[in-house]
Amino acid sequence: GAVVSQHPSRVICKSGTSVKIECRSLDFQATTMFWYRQFPKQSLMLMATSNEGSKATYEQGVEKDKFLINHASLTLSTLTVTSAHPEDSSFYICSAGWGGASQHFGDGTRLSIL
Amino acid sequence: DAKTTQPTSMDCAEGRAANLPCNHSTISGNEYVYWYRQIHSQGPQYIIHGLKNNETNEMASLIITEDRKSSTLILPHATLRDTAVYYCIVRAINQAGTALIFGKGTTLSVSS
Repeated sequence: GAVVSQHPSRVICKSGTSVKIECRSLDFQATTMFWYRQFPKQSLMLMATSNEGSKATYEQGVEKDKFLINHASLTLSTLTVTSAHPEDSSFYICSAGWGGASQHFGDGTRLSIL
Repeated sequence: DAKTTQPTSMDCAEGRAANLPCNHSTISGNEYVYWYRQIHSQGPQYIIHGLKNNETNEMASLIITEDRKSSTLILPHATLRDTAVYYCIVRAINQAGTALIFGKGTTLSVSS
């Protein structure tokens, strides 16, 4: 079946560092991918929609200059958390649509900013 | 997408059937019922979906009431590995280009 791969699975870095997270669709082409953020004991919150070849669409309250999204090919979207601070520590998850309205999710990236 | 209501938490004994309810009284005629689950520290996993007929796959069964205002996800023989948060989402089939919106889901705890 369709698989979405996310890398890295975990990253720990110092405050002020920029961190890039990759999301790949392994056996299908995804013109649209989605990025979510999940804080402890909370549900997934949609951050942005990543569109291949065009600008991402951000949800209200998500800073586009802080969370840079690039979707340069049909199989890869990247999320860069720029100048990360401790409050950006969270679980980041990507997904891609395949086969109707269902979505396939990556295994998430646990980001910890010290 | 129509709103869904799920219990916050449920418990189930290992080996017994887990029945997870979902209310979606404002569902539209073209909207399907989708179920996903999220095991701790993993991404959500697709389980099953249906329109109006009952559905079954290797993971679970989905029972949708005749008026489509509610549904039940059934895990026939729950195991410890089924402990997860289960999300019921209502969505039109032509919305592959839009994101899934997650509610709070039901936390299912399976114990031995």
